[in-house]
Amino acid sequence: GQQVMQIPQYQHVQEGEDFTTYCNSSTTLSNIQWYKQRPGGHPVFLIQLVKSGEVKKQKRLTFQFGEAKKNSSLHITATQTTDVGTYFCAGEIAQKLVFGQGTRLTINP
Amino acid sequence: ETGVTQTPRHLVMGMTNKKSLKCEQHLGHNAMYWYKQSAKKPLELMFVYSLEERVENNSVPSRFSPECPNSSHLFLHLHTLQPEDSALYLCASSQDAGQGNQPQHFGDGTRLSIL
Repeated sequence: GQQVMQIPQYQHVQEGEDFTTYCNSSTTLSNIQWYKQRPGGHPVFLIQLVKSGEVKKQKRLTFQFGEAKKNSSLHITATQTTDVGTYFCAGEIAQKLVFGQGTRLTINP
Repeated sequence: ETGVTQTPRHLVMGMTNKKSLKCEQHLGHNAMYWYKQSAKKPLELMFVYSLEERVENNSVPSRFSPECPNSSHLFLHLHTLQPEDSALYLCASSQDAGQGNQPQHFGDGTRLSIL
């Protein structure tokens, strides 16, 4: 069964609003990666988190790894139309990368 | 901009046809992957190759046959496909296989439609 769950499946926001997607696993993850797939494109690696409680920022994007290393989140502040796409988390379980279902973000300009 | 190139970008085939998808990576990586991406489903890992050896086959039907002649090239041979096989097929590479802490680099994919 699916080991890495991601919610919500879809999110529509007004440009300028914030956006958050959550990733959860019943299994402790060795690390977690985040990818972005633009419409019609392919997944592109964004970042990797390894340490418990780790927080990393990339401009308006904030990535967080939970203390128990079973959950993670990606928060985008003040969304822009260029943020449109599907955001995937991928957790390492038993040396394998397991992808979540992704959250599709659409933005009303 | 991608170091992973897939051809063709689009493919329409009948259920009785035989075709092949091609993937080439220019990153010097040792591991290559085939994924299937369908609507409303997570990325499904199909095959993993490490240094030209298949190290994982995720219960993929035999109508999909992978081939890895060298560490830079990966093929997916298709025959007698079903309509439910219509999907985006993504190739990816990483420095090594069996290392879930390494980023994967994806190609643009082949959009496959089965008539």
